[in-house]
Amino acid sequence: GAVVSQHPSRVICKSGTSVKIECRSLDFQATTMFWYRQFPKKSLMLMATSNEGSKATYEQGVEKDKFLINHASLTLSTLTVTSAHPEDSSFYICSARGLADPHDTQYFGPGTRLTVL
Amino acid sequence: AQSVTQLDSQVPVFEEAPVELRCNYSSSVSVYLFWYVQYPNQGLQLLLKYLSGSTLVKGINGFEAEFNKSQTSFHLRKPSVHISDTAEYFCAVSEKLVWGGSEKLVFGKGTKLTVNP
Repeated sequence: GAVVSQHPSRVICKSGTSVKIECRSLDFQATTMFWYRQFPKKSLMLMATSNEGSKATYEQGVEKDKFLINHASLTLSTLTVTSAHPEDSSFYICSARGLADPHDTQYFGPGTRLTVL
Repeated sequence: AQSVTQLDSQVPVFEEAPVELRCNYSSSVSVYLFWYVQYPNQGLQLLLKYLSGSTLVKGINGFEAEFNKSQTSFHLRKPSVHISDTAEYFCAVSEKLVWGGSEKLVFGKGTKLTVNP
């Protein structure tokens, strides 16, 4: 149980375009989803927390207009990188926390490798 | 605010040897503690977690960790490692809230475990 998927697993795009990454909880309802960014050989940096049906809470220094997060249902959250630039190239990982597990066990997706040319 | 320190960035060991990956945390309140493993180009997989109760926690793949409140540590151990244990290991902490939930996860910088034949 507690499987989280991400799509796509890998995406290459041109500078200036927008890219949407999907995060789905496959076998549980995720009241909260988290989006992280991981730089090479670095730890995970929390970008934002999204609760179903409400606006995402962004961490300090993360541009909300550049990284649009939508959590429209209990099983789906999306991250859209708008007007992507090469410095946005990174590994993006989502995680989900279910209503049945309020003690904050987060289950992670497999990640999406974004390369902006 | 909580913080996590993983004292070793890299730990090389030989196959079938024991290993300990160290993790210390800092927090002014009670915490939940986690260990995650990340294989190359993949997301994070939960190894084990400490929420309350017994301080010795057993996880998947033969790993265990011991919560030591006085030393604010949560070291990860395995008595005999395999080549397949080669991966990045992250310790994480979240602060308990009054009602039993928790704040966001804060990760350590990770320890690269390399198991050599």
